Amino acid sequence: SAVISQKPSRDICQRGTSLTIQCQVDSQVTMMFWYRQQPGQSLTLIATANQGSEATYESGFVIDKFPISRPNLTFSTLTVSNMSPEDSSIYLCSVSGLMNTGELFFGEGSRLTVL
Amino acid sequence: GDSVTQMEGPVTLSEEAFLTINCTYTATGYPSLFWYVQYPGEGLQLLLKATKADDKGSNKGFEATYRKETTSFHLEKGSVQVSDSAVYFCALSDRGGSNYKLTFGKGTLLTVNP
Repeated sequence: SAVISQKPSRDICQRGTSLTIQCQVDSQVTMMFWYRQQPGQSLTLIATANQGSEATYESGFVIDKFPISRPNLTFSTLTVSNMSPEDSSIYLCSVSGLMNTGELFFGEGSRLTVL
Repeated sequence: GDSVTQMEGPVTLSEEAFLTINCTYTATGYPSLFWYVQYPGEGLQLLLKATKADDKGSNKGFEATYRKETTSFHLEKGSVQVSDSAVYFCALSDRGGSNYKLTFGKGTLLTVNP
């Protein structure tokens, strides 16, 4: 398994501002994933981030709103831009396991509240 | 596309009661199936998994069997404890190619009372 650290763990933000979430993994991984968990809802994949290439976004998510960086094999950032109250969610970073079974390991998440 | 349907909660049980949380799925390929657990204030943790039909995943007294004929992966525990109070998510990963994307159910909140 991998140890995944996210910062910040929580934050309260003002409408119209942007916030960058950092994700650090204790080992080198090829693929990192960013998920969103809206209040009382399940997890939705935002994008897949591979080192050295542009992130791949899921339907309904765009780079202008959620820019992602992946500068090396252990680190990634997700920015939530021009926030509105609808962006209040838990944002989770995850990485795949070593075995090709599709399981993911998750960070503890970053809980954002937008006022 | 792939989808996961979970029993809606919340579920409230007394300690030592039997637990079943139903999960059914729709997938085009031969997915791997997972149960994740989210304890209050914590991130998601993998609880158990099964990678092929008839496999049984188990951990911490929880079990789930991959049933291809009924496309189900129900979670069971014979005797729940207060510490099992959490949100449980059923998920699948389609093993086609190198796709690691997990599709999650909506989650089931379990509360166990002493």
